[in-house]
Amino acid sequence: QDQLVQSGGEVKKPGASVKVSCKASSDTIINYGFSWLRQAPGQGLEWLGWVSLYTIETKYAERFQGRVTMTTDTSTRTVYLELRSLTSDDSAVYYCARDNPPNTVTNTYYGMDVWGQGTTVTVSS
Amino acid sequence: SYELTQPPSVSVSPGQTARITCSGDALPKQYVYWYLQSPGRAPVVVIYKDTERPSEIPERFSGTSSGTTATLTISGVQAEDEADYYCQSADSDETSWVFGGGTRLTVL
Repeated sequence: QDQLVQSGGEVKKPGASVKVSCKASSDTIINYGFSWLRQAPGQGLEWLGWVSLYTIETKYAERFQGRVTMTTDTSTRTVYLELRSLTSDDSAVYYCARDNPPNTVTNTYYGMDVWGQGTTVTVSS
Repeated sequence: SYELTQPPSVSVSPGQTARITCSGDALPKQYVYWYLQSPGRAPVVVIYKDTERPSEIPERFSGTSSGTTATLTISGVQAEDEADYYCQSADSDETSWVFGGGTRLTVL
């Protein structure tokens, strides 16, 4: 069964950086790319960007350009999200999800159909 | 920046039909995806590419899209359908995925 397993919760101070990981459970999932999303307490879903596991191609949401980096480790089937210069507004649950980039909707694209369990990032002084 | 607009809340009695709309200027040219999110859980896709339903999703979930408005319809609503629902689509440049603000479905 395809699964994405994320790293544990993080507590960071304002101005710090956080790095969250997302590991695919099997090889069947690794032909895809992955999106990172977040959800602040009581708020909706927000897309941060997309990364390809194999080509290392990335697409970042405009508002996070310059503050976010998405990387991959194909040997461990893991993708990473790094967010820098954290403020309290970055406190949220961060999710990874199997996904295509917005400009590539193939016949076998079913939306974000596999999600990680979420990682809570708390930014507090 | 591009926005998708959903009603904040919809309420229906069990067995009735719930309709949740999603409006956006780019929808005539972009697919819409719908997600159900229960409290404390990750979202689950219930409709993809406007009208397609994953095999594990009950038949009572259906989707349509016409012009700038997409609609998620839940026929014969059950108590377990009470959740937050989000629509997702690409902006007109296809550079970003965008989500609607979410609709809380309450089963009375």
